[in-house]
Formats: sequence, structure tokens, C-alpha cells
Amino acid sequence: AQSVTQPDIHITVSEGASLELRCNYSYGATPYLFWYVQSPGQGLQLLLKYFSGDTLVQGIKGFEAEFKRSQSSFNLRKPSVHWSDAAEYFCAVGPTGGGNKLTFGTGTQLKVEL
Amino acid sequence: GAGVSQSPSNKVTEKGKDVELRCDPISGHTALYWYRQRLGQGLEFLIYFQGNSAPDKSGLPSDRFSAERTGESVSTLTIQRTQQEDSAVYLCASSLARASYNEQFFGPGTRLTVL
Repeated sequence: AQSVTQPDIHITVSEGASLELRCNYSYGATPYLFWYVQSPGQGLQLLLKYFSGDTLVQGIKGFEAEFKRSQSSFNLRKPSVHWSDAAEYFCAVGPTGGGNKLTFGTGTQLKVEL
Repeated sequence: GAGVSQSPSNKVTEKGKDVELRCDPISGHTALYWYRQRLGQGLEFLIYFQGNSAPDKSGLPSDRFSAERTGESVSTLTIQRTQQEDSAVYLCASSLARASYNEQFFGPGTRLTVL
């Protein structure tokens, strides 16, 4: 069964600092990989996704993520965090052999200090 | 265009009562999903609809949970005889089609509190 681990429950960074949120997955093959962001009172919004090809993917709001097969990781990065990035971030995996179920990690709550 | 909408946004109920949660997907989206998000946890898949195909109910936690969808439009999630452990945010999402590479667009959720 596929699973997702986000080892950091809470992260605090200063505005302008760089950010890396960790995500590790377990899956029998290369899955489809996603990062979603959830702002307070809002639904989840897709930041970026990886299906195949270039292992460094660019997303919205200046985020990027790198797929590393050898480490089963798909870490999310941003070079300079803005106060508006404070939110909860979820990594998710989806099966590549058809099917539809996304498996989500438990999320990382990001706090940005001004 | 309009996104996924859910109602009510908040629901407080007493243990043992039945509740109905509603989801309006994006027009033209054939796939619709329900997830549950408990405090401090990730999203748990509950049920999935795709067009007129039989729904995938494999994530429903008990027979107190059921969901319906009329064609490719509105869906309702019903929880009978609610229990305190049902307290959670229930999220609905829709996508263009079945495969997981199709982006799922999420609604704002319904926060259910069972007293």
C-alpha cells in the first residue's frame, strides 16, 4: 500500500529565509506526486505535481519540488518565504496504474515570523 | 468559473443525530471525491464517484456513512447516528476524470462537531 510521511509537524521560518518541507513516500513504482497548500478556512490548493520527466518541478507562488527516486523523497522548497506562505502543506501520492485515490501525508504547519 | 462549493460550512450536532453534507462540484467535472480530515491528521479518502459508474466506497469507515451523487452534479454525504469520533472537516473535491493525474479541486470543507 502506498504511504506518505511528512516528518515535520511544525516549522517556523523568518520571512525572507529559505524553506524546505520534507516528504517521503512508499510505493512500488514511481507514483504521481503532489504538494497541496491549505490556508485557514480554505480548501486545498495544488502547488505543483510530478508525473515524469524533469525531476525538478516548478509550481505556483514560487515553490519548487525535487523528486529523488533513490531517497523516495519529494521535498518542497522556496528560496525566500513570504508571510503569506503561512499555511499547512500536504504531500500526496497517487497511483500510476490508473485509479484515483490520493494518499496524503499528515501535513506540515508552516509559521512565518516577521 | 465557480469552484467546488460545500454546505454547510459548519455543523454542530448531538451524538446520535443524522447529518447531511452537500457538495457542488465544478461544472463538467465527472469525478467527485469525499475526504475526511481529523484534527492534526492528513486527509482520509472516503468515497469516489465517476460518472455513472458504481462508486468506490472502500474508504467509508462504517455503515453509518453513505453518499449519493445524482449524475455528474451534486453529492450528499450522510452520516447516521453520529458519534464524537466523526468530528472532523469533510472535504469534497472534483476533477475532470478518473485518473489520479487529473488535478483534484477542493472545496472549503464542512466542519462537523458532534457533541
